[in-house]
Amino acid sequence: DSGVTQTPKHLITATGQRVTLRCSPRSGDLSVYWYQQSLDQGLQFLIQYYNGEERAKGNILERFSAQQFPDLHSELNLSSLELGDSALYFCASTPGLLLPYTGELFFGEGSRLTVL
Amino acid sequence: QQQVKQSPQSLIVQKGGISIINCAYENTAFDYFPWYQQFPGKGPALLIAIRPDVSEKKEGRFTISFNKSAKQFSLHIMDSQPGDSATYFCAATLVTPRFGAGTRLTVKP
Repeated sequence: DSGVTQTPKHLITATGQRVTLRCSPRSGDLSVYWYQQSLDQGLQFLIQYYNGEERAKGNILERFSAQQFPDLHSELNLSSLELGDSALYFCASTPGLLLPYTGELFFGEGSRLTVL
Repeated sequence: QQQVKQSPQSLIVQKGGISIINCAYENTAFDYFPWYQQFPGKGPALLIAIRPDVSEKKEGRFTISFNKSAKQFSLHIMDSQPGDSATYFCAATLVTPRFGAGTRLTVKP
């Protein structure tokens, strides 16, 4: 158990809808990362937050947004859902920013989104 | 675009054999190269990692070989066991880790 909690574990919804995925990082971790895992693309980095502030952005669509709250939990909002958004969404956390030459990410078990 | 290219996509090895997974990167600013192991239904977990100033790192049956000039690195699993069957991801880190597409390893008994 990594200590990172993601909810819901499974979510089925229809195209055009909006969903929110939630992540609670390990106790004390300030940095949260979101990744999308699909069969052919592997783990795609979406976005990183550090202590409530956006820190780095990857291949995140404009239909997606995220935030990190004062209690350090994070939410990933996916809107106007399309069939291609079906994937596993992972959250990971680290104590702080990754220093050079180091850095272990602690992943949750993921939220599986199915868009019908 | 994939910043880290990983191959093969899938790999089947007999028990006791050697599993080899390769990765290549373009950005020479990457400063840390971890490998993650993922079992079905679980999130990835760090397996082993290497810095770019080291050419090889070994931990038990797992070895990373790193070729800085070629911008390539690989994971070798010696004496592969059925319990090693999982998906393996290489990654390269610059502020945030960027992952390869993954290799699904099956070790047959």
